[in-house]
Amino acid sequence: QITLKESGPTLVKPTQTLTLTCTFSGFSLSTSGVGVGWIRQPPGKALEWLALIYWDDDKRYSPSLKSRLTITKDTSKNQVVLTMTNMDPVDTATYYCAHTEPPYYYDSSGPFDYWGQGTLVTVSS
Amino acid sequence: EIVLTQSPGTLSLSPGERATLSCRASQSVSSSYLAWYQQKPGQAPRLLIYGASSRATGIPDRFSGSGSGTDFTLTISRLEPEDFGVYYCQQYGSSPYTFGQGTKLEIK
Repeated sequence: QITLKESGPTLVKPTQTLTLTCTFSGFSLSTSGVGVGWIRQPPGKALEWLALIYWDDDKRYSPSLKSRLTITKDTSKNQVVLTMTNMDPVDTATYYCAHTEPPYYYDSSGPFDYWGQGTLVTVSS
Repeated sequence: EIVLTQSPGTLSLSPGERATLSCRASQSVSSSYLAWYQQKPGQAPRLLIYGASSRATGIPDRFSGSGSGTDFTLTISRLEPEDFGVYYCQQYGSSPYTFGQGTKLEIK
């Protein structure tokens, strides 16, 4: 059974750095093809893809946020950490982490098939 | 970056009716790596369709996906009350793996 859970501060001040941790179980981030991604959703708005880290430490970032984002993994702790610098009120959103794995052996990537419950982060002074 | 445009923005239908949701990509989605998700208020998205047409585990067969290249469709053959919510498409063939802006399916 795959589960993921996000943790981190619920309130950050403008210009601060946000650090979110995704703790997961039911899979290993050392298994070929497996990845964990971060997605956010401002209140009442659409999903926005942020970043993704794969089993082999390959990292992908949203081009518009790349300068502010860092994604890392700790395989031994079953955790993925996302940091976002220089937070602004427009970054107020629910942040989700999610599991991805190619559905078939011949696939090179996969959809997000398991999601955490999300954590609401508010940016305000 | 591939931009996904979903239409319509809102769809108002009654239970038992057929729903057709569209997702158009700004460039071809490689290998039909296109997924559909359903989201209800206060919940995380749920994967419905991957590979443009394959149903995820536990998804009823009234949900079907089709399309290739730049044009994709999610069809719900006979709406059930629990099908109402917001639907998103996502392409995972070319990084960044972008989402569409969503279609809200509401009860008429």
